[in-house]
Amino acid sequence: EPEVTQTPSHQVTQMGQEVILRCVPISNHLYFYWYRQILGQKVEFLVSFYNNEISEKSEIFDDQFSVERPDGSNFTLKIRSTKLEDSAMYFCASRVGGGGRSGANVLTFGAGSRLTVL
Amino acid sequence: GQQLNQSPQSMFIQEGEDVSMNCTSSSIFNTWLWYKQEPGEGPVLLIALYKAGELTSNGRLTAQFGITRKDSFLNISASIPSDVGIYFCAVKGLTGGGNKLTFGTGTQLKVEL
Repeated sequence: EPEVTQTPSHQVTQMGQEVILRCVPISNHLYFYWYRQILGQKVEFLVSFYNNEISEKSEIFDDQFSVERPDGSNFTLKIRSTKLEDSAMYFCASRVGGGGRSGANVLTFGAGSRLTVL
Repeated sequence: GQQLNQSPQSMFIQEGEDVSMNCTSSSIFNTWLWYKQEPGEGPVLLIALYKAGELTSNGRLTAQFGITRKDSFLNISASIPSDVGIYFCAVKGLTGGGNKLTFGTGTQLKVEL
């Protein structure tokens, strides 16, 4: 079954350092997302991306965050200068797209990248 | 922001028991989803509900989309040890918001042998 793959599975970084988290969405999917889950808390929306631009972003997704689809397969999340409170699991998700009520509209999540900021 | 409240927050049950959990909101939503998350993994979709009043099953799981469109419940029948995990409800909004999901606070399920 097709999967969303994320790397690295775990990254430890010093406060103030730049971090790039990588995702390979399912190959025929057109809509891409990043979500965040702080330990023990619920999953929170960060940003959605379609047609090479951000569709929507949350208030968490401030100027320190950026997303990019540098080629036809990767979808990256960059944090420019990490803060302690950025420590969390970051989940990439994708969906095929298309309207209506169908499985094509349902998000498939990756296994996540755990970011620890010291 | 939109808030989804799930109850109970956690459950510790015996293998073989039936489980029921629910999710409520103060706002109306047109799609309700139930996800399961196991330790170190991302959320995995269990059931998707698209119509008020809809009752949908997936194996031992049954979920219903409340008629008011402000709530949903998930039932698990005859629980087994691999049902352990955190169950999240999630919704998509009525207008705008694309396919952004808002997740609930989660129900942690622990199954005792």
